[in-house]
Amino acid sequence: QQPVQSPQAVILREGEDAVINCSSSKALYSVHWYRQKHGEAPVFLMILLKGGEQKGHEKISASFNEKKQQSSLYLTASQLSYSGTYFCGTPDTEGADKLIFGTGTRLQVFP
Amino acid sequence: DAGITQSPRHKVTETGTPVTLRCHQTENHRYMYWYRQDPGHGLRLIHYSYGVKDTDKGEVSDGYSVSRSKTEDFLLTLESATSSQTSVYFCAISYIQGFRTDTQYFGPGTRLTVL
Repeated sequence: QQPVQSPQAVILREGEDAVINCSSSKALYSVHWYRQKHGEAPVFLMILLKGGEQKGHEKISASFNEKKQQSSLYLTASQLSYSGTYFCGTPDTEGADKLIFGTGTRLQVFP
Repeated sequence: DAGITQSPRHKVTETGTPVTLRCHQTENHRYMYWYRQDPGHGLRLIHYSYGVKDTDKGEVSDGYSVSRSKTEDFLLTLESATSSQTSVYFCAISYIQGFRTDTQYFGPGTRLTVL
């Protein structure tokens, strides 16, 4: 079953912040975040493992709450280059060799 | 950037014809995946491979077959293309170490249109 992402779409002005959520009805063992710009391939941002750790990439950070079966991606002081669709992916079982991806959150940043 | 190429990059074909898409990697990664991407559905796994001649089905495998005779090549075949298989197809590779699902690196994609 696909993880659920919210919101489905976000529109921002440069410099504004955004939060994208990824939740699952099943246990989460790890969460993988990707960004895909229009017409391009998805690009890896970060992996979050069990333990609630927070990771960062430029001004993008994420948290993982395995008890709540949820991960959140935080985009701070957004830039035009942040525009794209963000996907979370999770293994359906612990140590599984494949990911199930959410349906994506489209982020548009305007000047 | 991970060395992944896909061919062709664009293809238009007619219903009922066979189609083969190729994914080639230069990274010597064990795992290779085929996804399709459609509006509103995100990335859905078609088939994947965990070694030469070792493959398994994903969530949307009906109408597709795969083969992997060499580490570097993973082929996706539509035996008899249908309009519902019009999509963008992405290949991905991954190096899985131990018991951890690892990062996937995606190829540039193939846009397939079935008329």
